[in-house]
Amino acid sequence: LAKTTQPISMDSYEGQEVNITCSHNNIATNDYITWYQQFPSQGPRFIIQGYKTKVTNEVASLFIPADRKSSTLSLPRVSLSDTAVYYCLVGDTGRRALTFGSGTRLQVQP
Amino acid sequence: GAVVSQHPSRVICKSGTSVKIECRSLDFQATTMFWYRQFPKQSLMLMATSNEGSKATYEQGVEKDKFLINHASLTLSTLTVTSAHPEDSSFYICSAATGEDEKLFFGSGTQLSVL
Repeated sequence: LAKTTQPISMDSYEGQEVNITCSHNNIATNDYITWYQQFPSQGPRFIIQGYKTKVTNEVASLFIPADRKSSTLSLPRVSLSDTAVYYCLVGDTGRRALTFGSGTRLQVQP
Repeated sequence: GAVVSQHPSRVICKSGTSVKIECRSLDFQATTMFWYRQFPKQSLMLMATSNEGSKATYEQGVEKDKFLINHASLTLSTLTVTSAHPEDSSFYICSAATGEDEKLFFGSGTQLSVL
């Protein structure tokens, strides 16, 4: 399973755009990149998934360069409620379990 | 998105007793479910892969006789912590993948406290 590396923590202010980058140098051809959000004492919540280029949904965008060795989760105009841990995972989801890295603890200040 | 329901959300038990945690896929069938464990301020650790109609596959270091997994139907997997001890106190989370796009969804978790 591809190993991921993310910053341990990030700080931001309300209304700012936050970009969290994840490195996954040994990503396999069949692997997708998936980002999850987790609040304390809750299960991870699916945010976005992509394979290449750019994916956008109602809450975030995911940018994946051509070599797919990294990806960036972009959260537009964060609010206090976006304070959480964000995990980047790589794998062929559904077929095998995903391995969680340390995640990025995002703190949004007023 | 797809819903994975997990019960109970919180359980307190005495040392030596057994506790069962249920994980259900509410609007899809899941031939495979995964069980994770999470200690405070730490990441999720995969415990086992639950396969419908067959034995679970446990990760290295996870005692299969202590953490019994049963996946009796395409929508239900259970994790039973047998003879629980205080060191088993943790946050247990299940997950399942949908059939079509194979996105992995997680239950809300179960906080187990063993006294």
